[in-house]
Amino acid sequence: DQQVKQNSPSLSVQEGRISILNCDYTNSMFDYFLWYKKYPAEGPTFLISISSIKDKNEDGRFTVFLNKSAKHLSLHIVPSQPGDSAVYFCAAHRWGKLQFGAGTQVVVTP
Amino acid sequence: EAGVVQSPRYKIIEKKQPVAFWCNPISGHNTLYWYRQNLGQGPELLIRYENEEAVDDSQLPKDRFSAERLKGVDSTLKIQPAELGDSAVYLCASSSARNEQFFGPGTRLTVL
Repeated sequence: DQQVKQNSPSLSVQEGRISILNCDYTNSMFDYFLWYKKYPAEGPTFLISISSIKDKNEDGRFTVFLNKSAKHLSLHIVPSQPGDSAVYFCAAHRWGKLQFGAGTQVVVTP
Repeated sequence: EAGVVQSPRYKIIEKKQPVAFWCNPISGHNTLYWYRQNLGQGPELLIRYENEEAVDDSQLPKDRFSAERLKGVDSTLKIQPAELGDSAVYLCASSSARNEQFFGPGTRLTVL
């Protein structure tokens, strides 16, 4: 039962432009959402989170938007930098448990 | 502050052999998680500990997988016997009262 979905397996973006990563979920009981970034041969590292009672959270170049009615969240990275090339996982939390999407591979090109 | 430590980083074994993974969480983190990540997928929770107690092991295949967290600090995840389908990255994570989970680098298991 895949309750968190990232439908775009990959995204290529030019350096300096905006990266937009999308995530959909099915369970309205999730109480907050997180984005993790993963480099090869490393564990996921926390990037940014948002509570289900908010619709936006910003941290530097990273902004997460939550649309509860659509059960959709997105991560905006602006401007994109070469070091942003990684796999990004969306995760949803409920009762101490995180459910992850399959990830989106982002490649930032010069 | 040291992060989550896992060992070994890589393990190759023949099917039907046993294997064990070790995790040392961030100091002071009471909650410890074991995840399995298959190729092209996100991590999936196997078991969650609050101190020494396994509070969620509903996704742990108990016929061949076992875990322990003695003294509420380090943890070991064991597979016996391993099957071909167990090839994956096994991730350990820990958290404190806040909800953010910190992950270790993982152990990549290959079962031949």
